[in-house]
Amino acid sequence: AQSVTQLGSHVSVSEGALVLLRCNYSSSVPPYLFWYVQYPNQGLQLLLKYTSAATLVKGINGFEAEFKKSETSFHLTKPSAHMSDAAEYFCAVSEWGSSSASKIIFGSGTRLSIRP
Amino acid sequence: DVKVTQSSRYLVKRTGEKVFLECVQDMDHENMFWYRQDPGLGLRLIYFSYDVKMKEKGDIPEGYSVSREKKERFSLILESASTNQTSMYLCASSQMGQGGYNEQFFGPGTRLTVL
Repeated sequence: AQSVTQLGSHVSVSEGALVLLRCNYSSSVPPYLFWYVQYPNQGLQLLLKYTSAATLVKGINGFEAEFKKSETSFHLTKPSAHMSDAAEYFCAVSEWGSSSASKIIFGSGTRLSIRP
Repeated sequence: DVKVTQSSRYLVKRTGEKVFLECVQDMDHENMFWYRQDPGLGLRLIYFSYDVKMKEKGDIPEGYSVSREKKERFSLILESASTNQTSMYLCASSQMGQGGYNEQFFGPGTRLTVL
């Protein structure tokens, strides 16, 4: 069965610093991978998605993620953090070839804090 | 614009009450999902539906039921609310994807408190 592990439940960076949120997945078949963001008191919003078209995926708000099959990783990065990036981030995996109602498995989330 | 709405943002109920959480999507999506979100546990799937009147159990269905009478509406029912069901509930929908690609679109969530 597929699974997702997010390393670090809380990450704190200074404004302007590099943001790196780690995600490792487990899947027996080529996966679809997602990063979602949740701002306080809101639902989840898709940041970016990997669907096998390209290993480096660019998303909204300057975020990007790189799919590394050899490392089973899909880490999220942003070169320069902004105060508005403070939120909770979820990595998620869906499985190729599953039924039309295939589930998405979410990681436990990483809370990103930005220091002024 | 894609939209998923939930009937309440905040709800307070008493132990033993029957609770209905409603979710409506306007994207003509086949699939709809109910999750609960708790700190440190991420999102856990309660139930999902891939067609009208069709439903499947997720990872934590105990204490919950669902209803999908119309394509755009998916209801979560707590038959007899208990304090351990105090949580944030999130609804999502997705198209019938090809090969499992099913980006989900989320509602704003309902924060339920059971006293």
